[in-house]
Amino acid sequence: QVQLQESGPGVVKPSQTLSLTCTVSGGSISSGSYFWSWVRQPAVDELEWIGRMYTSGSTNYNPSLKGRVTISLDTSENQFSLRLRSVTAADTAVYFCARMTGSGLFDSWGQGTLVTVSP
Amino acid sequence: DIVMTQSPDSLSLSLGERATINCKSSQSLLYRSNNRNYLVWFQQKPGQPPKMLISWASTRELGVPDRFSGSGSGTDFTLAISSLQAEDVAVYYCQQYYSVPYTFGQGTKLEIK
Repeated sequence: QVQLQESGPGVVKPSQTLSLTCTVSGGSISSGSYFWSWVRQPAVDELEWIGRMYTSGSTNYNPSLKGRVTISLDTSENQFSLRLRSVTAADTAVYFCARMTGSGLFDSWGQGTLVTVSP
Repeated sequence: DIVMTQSPDSLSLSLGERATINCKSSQSLLYRSNNRNYLVWFQQKPGQPPKMLISWASTRELGVPDRFSGSGSGTDFTLAISSLQAEDVAVYYCQQYYSVPYTFGQGTKLEIK
């Protein structure tokens, strides 16, 4: 069974870049017809899809993030990453990495990591 | 973007009662070519990631108790819990995967009275 684990700084300063990594175990990120995705939760009652990357390298991002986001894969490390530029307090959230099936279903999730944007 | 609206925002019921959560999408989630609704229901407990309960609007995931059921088509969907158990206390979300950007409902908090 595939497992995902987020890692990265818990605090980022305003205007800087948030960088997170998701390490995948129990399966290769370069095999199968899966998308590798990020979702964030600013508050208990809110979930926002950030974007996804296919094993071929194609990406889709949420337009709400106004071009500030990049998702990349590192097949040698079996990891994928999120970079969110020019952060503000509104980007404070729990960030989840997740695997998506070809149909668009989130079938595996990391536990989530809290990132706070603060001076 | 497809807007997902859940009702109610919160629900307080007694053990054994039936819970019903509604989800409405701003456009149809029914894909005509395969006659499938691209709607999923999640359950989230504090400190945990969302857990998929129901996919394709009505297909229960492996291991999910049969007291959970999903119904609906097009733009109107329902998650029902037939007999509320203490472990069902959680926030429930619907989410559409018909088109990007994928979007979630605002969540329904289910509590025991």
